[in-house]
Formats: sequence, structure tokens, C-alpha cells
Amino acid sequence: NAGVTQTPKFQVLKTGQSMTLQCAQDMNHNSMYWYRQDPGMGLRLIYYSASEGTTDKGEVPNGYNVSRLNKREFSLRLESAAPSQTSVYFCASRVGSNYGYTFGSGTRLTVV
Amino acid sequence: GQQVMQIPQYQHVQEGEDFTTYCNSSTTLSNIQWYKQRPGGHPVFLIQLVKSGEVKKQKRLTFQFGEAKKNSSLHITATQTTDVGTYFCAGPSNKLIFGTGTRLQVFP
Repeated sequence: NAGVTQTPKFQVLKTGQSMTLQCAQDMNHNSMYWYRQDPGMGLRLIYYSASEGTTDKGEVPNGYNVSRLNKREFSLRLESAAPSQTSVYFCASRVGSNYGYTFGSGTRLTVV
Repeated sequence: GQQVMQIPQYQHVQEGEDFTTYCNSSTTLSNIQWYKQRPGGHPVFLIQLVKSGEVKKQKRLTFQFGEAKKNSSLHITATQTTDVGTYFCAGPSNKLIFGTGTRLQVFP
């Protein structure tokens, strides 16, 4: 099993450009999450999807949109990238709220 | 909103020394999870604690959940260089709130 797969692994954007970060899991997990991690800091929740067909805002949703395409896939879109969105983005999934997360390997995004 | 704080922020130890990180929540937790993130890597789930006063062990790692379920600790006995990384605790709910993390450096 691949677990949680994120693409791309690295990306450089210019301010104002848009892009979509892709995430797919093959573990039949119900819940999926997007976090960002800034240097020396913890993980902050951007958006999550508790189950297929639902999405909710996390701690830092501004500037982002998400789509839970199906049970496997949960994408994160930056409509107009800003330097403040330079970060490492992690996608995670889990079976339910009382289980541990499985994280993807991350997307390192730089906005110049 | 719920806040989860960890201390210390950094810890440098000599290989073979013990290490402890503490996690404190502003609210009572129904459960708490611990994760490890190696430098340049992604967080990896270690364990979940559910019961008041619960203690669980994984080899040299000992996890404890406070009696009041508002704090938790992770203790590593006789650290090794493979223990290097950042250790995060995370509070419960549909959207896990991660602690600030403790970065452990182990010198050989």
C-alpha cells in the first residue's frame, strides 16, 4: 500500500499564480486533512473533510479552497498565491476521529 | 479555543541520557495522541492515550496521561541518535490540534 500520496513534492510559484495540491489515500479512510507547517512551528489545520461529501474550515483557511473529489482524494487549491503561503503542506487521513493520522510526505511550496 | 502547549521547545542531550517532554491542554482531553517527525520528514503516529492516569510503553518510550486528562508526557530512556526529531502531542476532536512540539537533538 502506498498510504497517503501527495503531489507535487516541490513547487515554486510567483505571487498571484494559482495551483492545486493533490492528495490521495488508498487505505479506505473516511477523514482527510490539510495542514501547513512553517519553519520551527507546529502543524496548523487548513481544512478537513470528516467524510466524503463534507468539508470544513480549520484554523487557517483564508486563501485556500478544498475539494473532496471522492473517498480517496482531497485537493487543496491556492487561488492567488502569496508569499505568506510559503510553507510545507501535509495531507493526512485516518479512519475516524479516535484513530491516529497517516501523513503524506509533504509538498514544499515557495511563493516568490 | 483549545490550545495545546509543549515544553521544552528544544532539548539537547548526550546519547544515553533521558529525555522528557510535557504537553498541557487548556481544556480536558478525551484522548491525546503523540507523533514523531524526523528532520525533513513527515509526522508519524506513535500512540494514543485515552484513560485518566494511563501509562503506555513502547520499548524505551513511556507515555503518560494525567489524572485530570489535561496533560501528558513522553519520556525516553537512554536516548539514541535515532531518537532525533520533533515530538508533537495532539488533542482530540474531528480536527486534531497539534502542540507546539519539542525538538530533540542527541549528541553522540
